[in-house]
Amino acid sequence: RKEVEQDPGPFNVPEGATVAFNCTYSNSASQSFFWYRQDCRKEPKLLMSVYSSGNEDGRFTAQLNRASQYISLLIRDSKLSDSATYLCVVSAGGTSYGKLTFGQGTILTVHP
Amino acid sequence: GAVVSQHPSRVICKSGTSVKIECRSLDFQATTMFWYRQFPKQSLMLMATSNEGSKATYEQGVEKDKFLINHASLTLSTLTVTSAHPEDSSFYICSAELEAETQYFGPGTRLLVL
Repeated sequence: RKEVEQDPGPFNVPEGATVAFNCTYSNSASQSFFWYRQDCRKEPKLLMSVYSSGNEDGRFTAQLNRASQYISLLIRDSKLSDSATYLCVVSAGGTSYGKLTFGQGTILTVHP
Repeated sequence: GAVVSQHPSRVICKSGTSVKIECRSLDFQATTMFWYRQFPKQSLMLMATSNEGSKATYEQGVEKDKFLINHASLTLSTLTVTSAHPEDSSFYICSAELEAETQYFGPGTRLLVL
């Protein structure tokens, strides 16, 4: 089983749509959680951290369920510029502090 | 935000040669830098953790004698792919840790070994 699993998609949605991505992680000792965005042939860029209480940044809402080891990202009012690969990223604590484990990514294409 | 650079951005080399990739944190000091590799249609895989002034910590399955890492200063880490072979062709990305669990990624280096 992969440490971080995501539905690879692709998701093809029209502008203005709401789209949700899911992610599960296997290491119950994981401490920190993130969503990154990666454009084609570019490096990943941090989109947002994910907190247990849930957090929102504009059109983006992230949720974390530690009991189910599940993370989600909701994008409202999709824009063409949201087209990218979205990476679910988990950081374990302890001796693995600081080390990030990436999911394979979910491809999103927003079309006019 | 914090800026991390990588050089070169792309390199093509012959099989058997060695390639050095530099990762620099431009506006902050990074005690810890990370090296990742990404094959097409796959996610980033951590290769090693580079610590300034000490030996790098390699992930399982990554040959330390093939992927030499040097972190001689708080702003520079280098990855040398020794005796590169076609299967080493990949997208190599470094990151630098600014603060706890906040990593900033370099733009990556595309390596093609012929």
